[in-house]
Amino acid sequence: QVQLKESGPGLVKPSLTLSLTCTVSGFSLSSYGVIWVRQPPGKGLEWMGVIWGNGNTNYNSALKSRLSISRDTSKSQVFLKMNNLQTEDTAMYFCARSGESPVFDYWGQGVMVTVSS
Amino acid sequence: IQMTQSPSLLSASVGDRVTLSCKAGQNINNYLAWYQQKLGEAPKLLIYNANSLQTGIPSRFSGSGSGTDYTLTISSLQPEDVATYFCQQYNSWWTFGGGTKLELK
Repeated sequence: QVQLKESGPGLVKPSLTLSLTCTVSGFSLSSYGVIWVRQPPGKGLEWMGVIWGNGNTNYNSALKSRLSISRDTSKSQVFLKMNNLQTEDTAMYFCARSGESPVFDYWGQGVMVTVSS
Repeated sequence: IQMTQSPSLLSASVGDRVTLSCKAGQNINNYLAWYQQKLGEAPKLLIYNANSLQTGIPSRFSGSGSGTDYTLTISSLQPEDVATYFCQQYNSWWTFGGGTKLELK
């Protein structure tokens, strides 16, 4: 079955770089897009960026200057790197599959990232 | 594209028919999805293309609307439906509404 799982550090110091990994199973990264979405505590959802099945990427314009998404198809992993973290980047970070339509039909459980010194 | 959901909090009783609203800042051509997020969990896709039920979702959930105005209806509220519901447009990239928190009265 389709599964996604995020992993990464729970705590990052301000101004440093966040690195997260999304490990997928049950589908091919060459056939589906994977999107990163974040949710600050008690707030709504914000899409961050997507890597499509063909390897192309698109980023939310609000984050584009700080964000990079890549993948290793052989390991079924998608990577997020975001630099110059600030306290307002404290959030739950989810990866999700972009299925048909394109909507997010499967989600990982999320990883909580706190930005604090 | 801004998405506005109302109400932000809704209290209803088991068995009630519940209606949640979502308004887009411009015509989104039915490119509208609804997600359910229970406390501490990831969102779950309920509806896409405004009115198509995702596989495995109970038929008490339905979506309707067009243009800028969309609705999620739960025909008979169940205790397990307590959650926050988000709408999402995908006519131009993706934008989520602020959510409607549904609780039991």
